[in-house]
Amino acid sequence: DTGVSQDPRHKITKRGQNVTFRCDPISEHNRLYWYRQTLGQGPEFLTYFQNEAQLEKSRLLSDRFSAERPKGSFSTLEIQRTEQGDSAMYLCASSLEQGMGETQYFGPGTRLLVL
Amino acid sequence: GDSVTQMEGPVTLSEEAFLTINCTYTATGYPSLFWYVQYPGEGLQLLLKATKADDKGSNKGFEATYRKETTSFHLEKGSVQVSDSAVYFCALSPGGQNFVFGPGTRLSVLP
Repeated sequence: DTGVSQDPRHKITKRGQNVTFRCDPISEHNRLYWYRQTLGQGPEFLTYFQNEAQLEKSRLLSDRFSAERPKGSFSTLEIQRTEQGDSAMYLCASSLEQGMGETQYFGPGTRLLVL
Repeated sequence: GDSVTQMEGPVTLSEEAFLTINCTYTATGYPSLFWYVQYPGEGLQLLLKATKADDKGSNKGFEATYRKETTSFHLEKGSVQVSDSAVYFCALSPGGQNFVFGPGTRLSVLP
């Protein structure tokens, strides 16, 4: 059973550059979530998709952040004009819609460092 | 809004000691409750969950009981091992939506 995968695992960029991260969910999962985790904190929800529809995006940190899931399979998270404060671990999770008790399965994360 | 509070770490125990990590929550309605674990260098893994009041989740010797009256979901293990050293996150989900995580509690188990 292939789990959630994320690419790249690490990204170092200079302030002002754009970065894009990819997430491949578990194949039969129709929901996909993006979180940000800073050092010493729990994951913070950013956005989620059900199939290809983005159902919640008000938690995206600014208009520099955007996410897509064009065919309801993999997803990308883009950060434009990166800032040093964007340095964090970006986590992707997927789940199969089932209401209460629905379990999210997390990928290993992409660690971003903005210099 | 919904929130999760966990006891602050780090928690340091000797092998075979009893573990309790406190977790309390604030939520509207009846959320599902979860414990996730993050081992060094790895992603978050589901440890256990409970979906309604008085449910007990258990896995790998860990247990937690959903207590609606005290809005708590404390994690316990009778005898910890060095391999249990990790960061433990309590989380809630209102159902099919994003999770709300606590800040995590780092556990170190010494041989």
